[in-house]
Amino acid sequence: AQSVAQPEDQVNVAEGNPLTVKCTYSVSGNPYLFWYVQYPNRGLQFLLKYITGDNLVKGSYGFEAEFNKSQTSFHLKKPSALVSDSALYFCAVRDPRTGGFKTIFGAGTRLFVKA
Amino acid sequence: KAGVTQTPRYLIKTRGQQVTLSCSPISGHRSVSWYQQTPGQGLQFLFEYFSETQRNKGNFPGRFSGRQFSNSRSEMNVSTLELGDSALYLCASSLGNLVYEQYFGPGTRLTVT
Repeated sequence: AQSVAQPEDQVNVAEGNPLTVKCTYSVSGNPYLFWYVQYPNRGLQFLLKYITGDNLVKGSYGFEAEFNKSQTSFHLKKPSALVSDSALYFCAVRDPRTGGFKTIFGAGTRLFVKA
Repeated sequence: KAGVTQTPRYLIKTRGQQVTLSCSPISGHRSVSWYQQTPGQGLQFLFEYFSETQRNKGNFPGRFSGRQFSNSRSEMNVSTLELGDSALYLCASSLGNLVYEQYFGPGTRLTVT
């Protein structure tokens, strides 16, 4: 069965510092991986995805993520955090073999960026 | 292009009642998925519809059902509501191919008393 783990409930970082939000997954075969962000009282917004190809993917708002197959990880990163990045971040995985959109989400990591 | 819309945004129901939530996907999107979001369980996949057919289903009891219409609009129904059904219900639409990301609506906040 597919699963996603976000080991940190919360990440605190100072504005201007680099940030990392961790994600590991468990899927047999080659997964499709996604990051979403949720701001208060709003739905989820897509940030970036890995389907195939280059292990480093770039997304919205300066975020990037690196797919590491050997470590089954897909950590979200940003070189310089902004206060406006404070939100709830979700990693998600999809198993293309299932033939559908059953997407499994991690529990979420709350990011606090302090000015 | 208009985003995913969900109605109503807020709903208060009594235990034992039933409820129907509606979702209008982005124009051209044929896949609609539903998720339940709660503080304790996070985001849980309910089901996904594509071209009026349910393609995938999560691990929810039969009280949770859905359908999709020919215009891709979708409804979700929960019968015999329980207190534990209180949650934010999110709808997401996509073009339909697995490589595409999903676009989420703002959600319907359901409170069961």
